[in-house]
Amino acid sequence: AQSVAQPEDQVNVAEGNPLTVKCTYSVSGNPYLFWYVQYPNRGLQFLLKYITGDNLVKGSYGFEAEFNKSQTSFHLKKPSALVSDSALYFCAHYSSASKIIFGSGTRLSIRP
Amino acid sequence: GAGVSQSPRYKVAKRGQDVALRCDPISGHVSLFWYQQALGQGPEFLTYFQNEAQLDKSGLPSDRFFAERPEGSVSTLKIQRTQQEDSAVYLCASSRGQGTAKDQPQHFGDGTRLSIL
Repeated sequence: AQSVAQPEDQVNVAEGNPLTVKCTYSVSGNPYLFWYVQYPNRGLQFLLKYITGDNLVKGSYGFEAEFNKSQTSFHLKKPSALVSDSALYFCAHYSSASKIIFGSGTRLSIRP
Repeated sequence: GAGVSQSPRYKVAKRGQDVALRCDPISGHVSLFWYQQALGQGPEFLTYFQNEAQLDKSGLPSDRFFAERPEGSVSTLKIQRTQQEDSAVYLCASSRGQGTAKDQPQHFGDGTRLSIL
């Protein structure tokens, strides 16, 4: 079955350090991949997407993601973490005209 | 407001009761989606509307779940004879055009947290 996997339930990073939130995909054909962020008691916010083109995708709030076809990965990165980046992050893939399939989420905690 | 609005924010119901959850999408948005998010999980697709037409309801878990969008704007998700396993956050999202899900970002509401006692 086509899916995305987020192998880490939780990622802890010190403020100012680089952060990476991992995502791998298992999708036939061309993968269309997304990252969303969810703050407590809020809906999801779109960060970025990969459809085609450059493997490095830049998104909102200083985040970027690197599409790696050989490793079937789409890791989310930021050079310098902020405490305000603490939230739940979801990797997702486009499944059909109407459907996006989300991963299980990774909780990112940035300590001051 | 400028965003997707969902009401109520919190709903507590007894097992067996019917509930109705409302979604006001961003004005002019053609596409509307409903998701169910269980505790500690990612959102799972329930159904999709393009204007008033329900084009995909493959994610609805049972015939107790029903969604409508009669005038192509506000949508209601109804759950009949609620069960404890229906407890979850129900998220609504909208997007601007008639394009596929990969073309335009979905804008999410803050959700309705449903608790079935």
